[in-house]
Amino acid sequence: GESVGLHLPTLSVQEGDNSIINCAYSNSASDYFIWYKQESGKGPQFIIDIRSNMDKRQGQRVTVLLNKTVKHLSLQIAATQPGDSAVYFCAEKGNAGGTSYGKLTFGQGTILTVHP
Amino acid sequence: EPEVTQTPSHQVTQMGQEVILRCVPISNHLYFYWYRQILGQKVEFLVSFYNNEISEKSEIFDDQFSVERPDGSNFTLKIRSTKLEDSAMYFCASKGSYTDTQYFGPGTRLTVL
Repeated sequence: GESVGLHLPTLSVQEGDNSIINCAYSNSASDYFIWYKQESGKGPQFIIDIRSNMDKRQGQRVTVLLNKTVKHLSLQIAATQPGDSAVYFCAEKGNAGGTSYGKLTFGQGTILTVHP
Repeated sequence: EPEVTQTPSHQVTQMGQEVILRCVPISNHLYFYWYRQILGQKVEFLVSFYNNEISEKSEIFDDQFSVERPDGSNFTLKIRSTKLEDSAMYFCASKGSYTDTQYFGPGTRLTVL
């Protein structure tokens, strides 16, 4: 279910571990998904994205997995570092069948804390 | 690397006053957005802007809000008569053609007293 207010899911890992952050999306018609990292007092920073015609995409130390059957998205961070500590948001872009101007619908966010 | 910039970083205003938040999108981008984030909550879409007109807006974006691209580089969000509940971080974003990746600015923290 969705959390409201300050009760964000949290993930606490040790430096060097792999992290997996999960996200459930709601719109089966969404055709594009994106992960952002947000550090305290800053704007969302692009990490990685994926289109609905793919189920996996890899970047540098990050991998996004998309499971359209269960409407689930995950972000895997390899060898997590203290600098990875932040709030991570998934977002989806719907496809209404016509022109899409790109409105993103954000998930609730997950707080990742990496301990040295 | 090109980035979206926003000014001011923090704006404090009295309830009922007008505020204008400013953004300079990435220079070759054609699609512009405003989002807001109330403290501790998720980012919410306000409005999208393309070809000098609003292309989509949310229920939050009522008659008190307006957007403008006054020149070739700036993109502004105006709130005509601020309310306490308008207090939030306001983010500008932009994207180019043939891509869905939106790049966000650092935000303006609006505090309405």
